[in-house]
Amino acid sequence: KNEVEQSPQNLTAQEGEFITINCSYSVGISALHWLQQHPGGGIVSLFMLSSGKKKHGRLIATINIQEKHSSLHITASHPRDSAVYICAVDNTDKLIFGTGTRLQVFP
Amino acid sequence: DAMVIQNPRYQVTQFGKPVTLSCSQTLNHNVMYWYQQKSSQAPKLLFHYYDKDFNNEADTPDNFQSRRPNTSFCFLDIRSPGLGDAAMYLCATSRGEVDTTYEQYFGPGTRLTVT
Repeated sequence: KNEVEQSPQNLTAQEGEFITINCSYSVGISALHWLQQHPGGGIVSLFMLSSGKKKHGRLIATINIQEKHSSLHITASHPRDSAVYICAVDNTDKLIFGTGTRLQVFP
Repeated sequence: DAMVIQNPRYQVTQFGKPVTLSCSQTLNHNVMYWYQQKSSQAPKLLFHYYDKDFNNEADTPDNFQSRRPNTSFCFLDIRSPGLGDAAMYLCATSRGEVDTTYEQYFGPGTRLTVT
């Protein structure tokens, strides 16, 4: 069993829909990261959080430390949100990555 | 803009021919990482530098070496590339302080093809 599990693996949405991607982890962490990777490779850090909730534009990330669970929400999704979203946890100064959620948003 | 730069973006090398990938940063971060990412897989940490201190992952093959001549630059050397080394290589940086976690900033990656 992976130490970081994401669901769903693949997600298709219509433009404007509200999207939720989930991440569960089984190790102790100092922080959890949500990353975005577009086709072509570059990774962008969206959020780093260790408690509560953070919001940036249409993106919201929450974490429940007791339940070892985090969610990434995208409101009013847009085709440019199409990417792979990766959850990664900081464990003893190393990132442990989930396998990613591939999101496609259609107009 | 402060950033992480990787050169080249695409590299083609022949089986067994040494290749060097480079990463530079203008963030003045003291930690630099090299990751290997194969198709549809999560990035895999190869090694990282905390300032000049080199930290190798236990399962990183000896074929992979790294150099960090100064704060700004870090190189990944693949001594004898095999077909299985074809991948995206990602460089990342972060501030590093004991008992404090910081974001990692990723470069755009170098896609390596081995022929």
